[in-house]
Amino acid sequence: GEDVEQSLFLSVREGDSSVINCTYTDSSSTYLYWYKQEPGAGLQLLTYIFSNMDMKQDQRLTVLLNKKDKHLSLRIADTQTGDSAIYFCAETWDNYGQNFVFGPGTRLSVLP
Amino acid sequence: SAVISQKPSRDICQRGTSLTIQCQVDSQVTMMFWYRQQPGQSLTLIATANQGSEATYESGFVIDKFPISRPNLTFSTLTVSNMSPEDSSIYLCSVEDNHAAGRYGYTFGSGTRLTVV
Repeated sequence: GEDVEQSLFLSVREGDSSVINCTYTDSSSTYLYWYKQEPGAGLQLLTYIFSNMDMKQDQRLTVLLNKKDKHLSLRIADTQTGDSAIYFCAETWDNYGQNFVFGPGTRLSVLP
Repeated sequence: SAVISQKPSRDICQRGTSLTIQCQVDSQVTMMFWYRQQPGQSLTLIATANQGSEATYESGFVIDKFPISRPNLTFSTLTVSNMSPEDSSIYLCSVEDNHAAGRYGYTFGSGTRLTVV
């Protein structure tokens, strides 16, 4: 079946850049997402990218997609303590959510 | 984006009992989704709930164990029946985001942390 993989932990110093990586197996993925889950909160959609795009930038966030290698990354510039959370990569090939596959999440710790 | 109110936020339940989780959305949505997040795991879709029809369950999940109600376009419940410790998880409901300003994705409730003892 389809699989999405992420490293489970990442620690960075405040002010540095964070890069969270994700690999997926389904070559028919159409939409790829990054979600953030803060402690005690639900998932928050951070950004998304269509499979025909290579890069998307949104303020401090940069998403890079290498479709050939099925590799997705999220770069957070000038990481702040408020960025400490779990980041989930997710992919789907339809618009309706039934085929939504999530990675295990990467726990980002930002050290002062 | 839609705002979801999910409750209870947490509960500790005895094995063999049932717990009903509620999700209220501040706008009408066609489809609502129920997910489970087991400790240390990612999200797994349990079922999709459409108003006016039976929920569609994913492989490994059955209606007798996880009955779902969807009485209208703003509300849904998920019941975890005859609970065992293996049901200890976070349960989340989700709806499709608005497409305003080109944003596309899903909004999630804050989750229900269930512990079965």
